Amino acid sequence: SQELEQSPQSLIVQEGKNLTINCTSSKTLYGLYWYKQKYGEGLIFLMMLQKGGEEKSHEKITAKLDEKKQQSSLHITASQPSHAGIYLCGADGRSNYQLIWGAGTKLIIKP
Amino acid sequence: GAGVSQSPSNKVTEKGKDVELRCDPISGHTALYWYRQSLGQGLEFLIYFQGNSAPDKSGLPSDRFSAERTGGSVSTLTIQRTQQEDSAVYLCASSLRPAGELFFGEGSRLTVL
Repeated sequence: SQELEQSPQSLIVQEGKNLTINCTSSKTLYGLYWYKQKYGEGLIFLMMLQKGGEEKSHEKITAKLDEKKQQSSLHITASQPSHAGIYLCGADGRSNYQLIWGAGTKLIIKP
Repeated sequence: GAGVSQSPSNKVTEKGKDVELRCDPISGHTALYWYRQSLGQGLEFLIYFQGNSAPDKSGLPSDRFSAERTGGSVSTLTIQRTQQEDSAVYLCASSLRPAGELFFGEGSRLTVL
């Protein structure tokens, strides 16, 4: 069965610094989703990537999908306290409706 | 409402009691998911409803867990004879179509003492 591994598990970054979170799949990625979760809240959709080499940006967050590596990366530029939270990646799984999820990366921004 | 609504937001119960968790999806969303999130873990799929089709219950961890969706809208997740290992955040999500963008509720945090 397909598995998603996120790295790092947690990350503490000084405000203003850049950071990257990775999501690696054990199988070819056909659709990859990034979500963000703040403590005590639900998940908020960030971006969806489908094509190899695809790159999308939203404000200071950029996500890329590298099909060859079966990996997606999420890059945050000039981090802010509002970026703190848990980032989860999800991928199309064995069915057309069930996503496989990574365990999440906890991001802490130090002021 | 504008988003997915879940209730209660927090539930503390004693071991052996039954609990019901409610999810009110976004109007018009035919797909509805229940997930469980334990501390430090990813999302564990529980059950999926799509329109009037038979639900996919393959993720329910035991027969103590059941869910229904009435009228294609509101869903209730029931856990009978709760155990301490049932303690987790239960998240509901809905989407306009299968495998589309999921809209999550804020979750119901269940603590079994």
